[in-house]
Amino acid sequence: DAKTTQPTSMDCAEGRAANLPCNHSTISGNEYVYWYRQIHSQGPQYIIHGLKNNETNEMASLIITEDRKSSTLILPHATLRDTAVYYCIVRATGNTGKLIFGQGTTLQVKP
Amino acid sequence: SAVISQKPSRDICQRGTSLTIQCQVDSQVTMMFWYRQQPGQSLTLIATANQGSEATYESGFVIDKFPISRPNLTFSTLTVSNMSPEDSSIYLCSATGGNTEAFFGQGTRLTVV
Repeated sequence: DAKTTQPTSMDCAEGRAANLPCNHSTISGNEYVYWYRQIHSQGPQYIIHGLKNNETNEMASLIITEDRKSSTLILPHATLRDTAVYYCIVRATGNTGKLIFGQGTTLQVKP
Repeated sequence: SAVISQKPSRDICQRGTSLTIQCQVDSQVTMMFWYRQQPGQSLTLIATANQGSEATYESGFVIDKFPISRPNLTFSTLTVSNMSPEDSSIYLCSATGGNTEAFFGQGTRLTVV
């Protein structure tokens, strides 16, 4: 699975959009981009995933560049409860489901 | 959505002893995994728990230190053997199956003294 690079930390004001970037320049054609988050003292939580099209669900939007070498997770209206470590993970189609975590981005949402 | 229960949620153990962590899923799943999260660090995959056969370990992890069982489609155990303070971590169980993306238990916080 391809390696990902994320900023170590980011701040966001409560109520504003949080845009978390991820670089995955070595991504292969059969690899999906997944996002998970880990709120303090909890297990990781699935957010969203995509292959090449932009995706949106009730939690977030995922924007993948046309060359698929980078992506952005968007939390449209961040709340204090969104403070967490956000992990961008690249995983191949047909992979058994195991996830290789990088260091992630610590998002601090401030009042 | 499916739920994973891990037991114990936390424990404090003496060095040289072993601890077995249980992972129970409330529905049948295809794959189960064990992760370790050392203090202040990201998650590291220990192994894939295979039903009815030996687990598949990632580089740096061995069966003698982390024996794993998976007797059926909903249950797995991880044993941390001959513990040392360096084994103090959070151990997390994960599962995936059908159309469900990988989900996680709340973890077992282990402190070795």
